[in-house]
Amino acid sequence: AQTVTQSQPEMSVQEAETVTLSCTYDTSESDYYLFWYKQPPSRQMILVIRQEAYKQQNATENRFSVNFQKAAKSFSLKISDSQLGDAAMYFCALDMRFGAGTRLTVKP
Amino acid sequence: DAGVTQSPTHLIKTRGQQVTLRCSPKSGHDTVSWYQQALGQGPQFIFQYYEEEERQRGNFPDRFSGHQFPNYSSELNVNALLLGDSALYLCASSYDSRPDTQYFGPGTRLTVL
Repeated sequence: AQTVTQSQPEMSVQEAETVTLSCTYDTSESDYYLFWYKQPPSRQMILVIRQEAYKQQNATENRFSVNFQKAAKSFSLKISDSQLGDAAMYFCALDMRFGAGTRLTVKP
Repeated sequence: DAGVTQSPTHLIKTRGQQVTLRCSPKSGHDTVSWYQQALGQGPQFIFQYYEEEERQRGNFPDRFSGHQFPNYSSELNVNALLLGDSALYLCASSYDSRPDTQYFGPGTRLTVL
């Protein structure tokens, strides 16, 4: 069975600083996708970044990057130069299985 | 290009009733997946429809059923509603069942009284 664990229910970061959100997962598959989604209070789920398991290079999208450790089954999200608009719930997902989420607060 | 659309936005039902939620996929997408998101929790996968058939199913009872039409739009039906069915129901569309192409709709908020 696939599982996704986000151990940080809430995180806080100062505007312009860097924050890392943690995610661990478990799967018996060798080929899979990992995702970070953002869900602002308006509730529309938005894809932030994705990683294909067979690609060793960590994905990067502007201020968002991941640290993908396949052997450790870890997939963390780093947000650099945090902005007020980054405040939201962040969900880690393994294919179609989601974690419980991390609420990110950005302080001005 | 319209994204994923869902209707209605909000819905209030009473226990025991039946409900139908609708989803239109993003243009070019042929797969629809449904999720249930309880307040304060992550989305839980209900099922996925591709080529008008249920291809994958999560751990949900048979009260939850669905349908996909030839134009790829989809319906989620829930029978014998329980209080615990109150949640945000998210529809996501993708191409060829590929999770890496998945886009989400705004959701339908279902309240069961």
